[in-house]
Order: sequence, then structure tokens, then C-alpha cells
Amino acid sequence: GDSVTQMEGPVTLSEEAFLTINCTYTATGYPSLFWYVQYPGEGLQLLLKATKADDKGSNKGFEATYRKETTSFHLEKGSVQVSDSAVYFCALSDRQNAGNMLTFGGGTRLMVKP
Amino acid sequence: DVKVTQSSRYLVKRTGEKVFLECVQDMDHENMFWYRQDPGLGLRLIYFSYDVKMKEKGDIPEGYSVSREKKERFSLILESASTNQTSMYLCASSNRVNQPQHFGDGTRLSIL
Repeated sequence: GDSVTQMEGPVTLSEEAFLTINCTYTATGYPSLFWYVQYPGEGLQLLLKATKADDKGSNKGFEATYRKETTSFHLEKGSVQVSDSAVYFCALSDRQNAGNMLTFGGGTRLMVKP
Repeated sequence: DVKVTQSSRYLVKRTGEKVFLECVQDMDHENMFWYRQDPGLGLRLIYFSYDVKMKEKGDIPEGYSVSREKKERFSLILESASTNQTSMYLCASSNRVNQPQHFGDGTRLSIL
């Protein structure tokens, strides 16, 4: 079956540091890939997406590139802010999944210190 | 923008009560989902629906039921609430083609 593996947190960084959160996946088909962010006490918000190999999703300074050869979709940001402190979830949607269900990673908590 | 609205942000109920959690989406999405989120366990799918009056069990359907009488509304029902159902409940919706799910703000449910 499909699966998503994320690096365990928490990840603690100082403001303006470079961020990488690793995400790898296994899927039987050709999935679309997503990053979601969850701020404290809130639901999940879509951060970015990529639908085919070599696509780069980007939003709010975050980027992730769909790497089919390494089955990865790592999240990066060049300079984090305190306001980026949240939990980040990597997810995939397998095209063979008619119900459009998502497979989520376990989430990575990011803490950014001033 | 897609709007998914959950009826309550916080809810406190007693053991044995029948509990209804409501979710409404305004984008004419075919698919709707209910998850629960617990520390250390991530998001777990309870039920989903891909059409009106259609429902499918997710990973943890025991103790729950759902209702989808109208396309925009998906209700989660705890038939007889128990303390182990204390959790954060998240509703989501998406259209049929391989697209992201859009989430509500969640309902934090406490069963005493």
C-alpha cells in the first residue's frame, strides 16, 4: 500500500535559518504530492502541491520538488520566521484512488526561536 | 477560496451521550472526509463519502457513523460517546479528480 515517511521532530531552528523537512513516499501509481501546515489549535492548510515528476511547488517562501527517482518531496525554506512554527504534514494522493483519499506522513513539528 | 465549516470549535459531552459533529463545504465537492487527530498517532481516517448518501469506512470506523443527506453537509455521529473518543476531529472535502483536500478548523471534543 501507499505510505509517506517524514523526519521526526521536533525541529528547532533559530530565526533566519535554512529549513529542510524530509519526506519520502511509496506508491503503486503516479501520485500527486502535498505539503500541509497546521498552526496551533487550527485545522490543516494546504501549503503547496506538485502533480508530476520534476514539478516544483512553492508558496510563502516554501518550496518542494517532486523527485520520482528518489521518491522524495522535501520541504525547504531559505529563511524561517517565528511565525513558521507549526506542524508540517507531507501527503500523497494516488491517481488510482477513486475516492481521492490522502495518505499522510506522521507530521513534523517545527519550532523557530527568535 | 474553499470554505469548510465545522459547527463547533470546542465541545464537551458526557459518556453515553449521542454526539453530532457537523461539517459544511461551499465548493460543490463530491468527496468529504472525517479524521481524528491524536498526539503521536497523526491523522486517522474515520469515514469518507464520495457522493450523497454514499459512505465508506476508513481506518477506524468503530463507534462512529456518518450521514450525508445533502452534497454540502457531512455529519459524524458518536452513537454512545466514550472517554476514548476525546480527540480533535477534522473534516475535509475535495473534488473527484486528483486534487488536495481542504480542511475545516477542527472540533476539539472532550468526553467526560
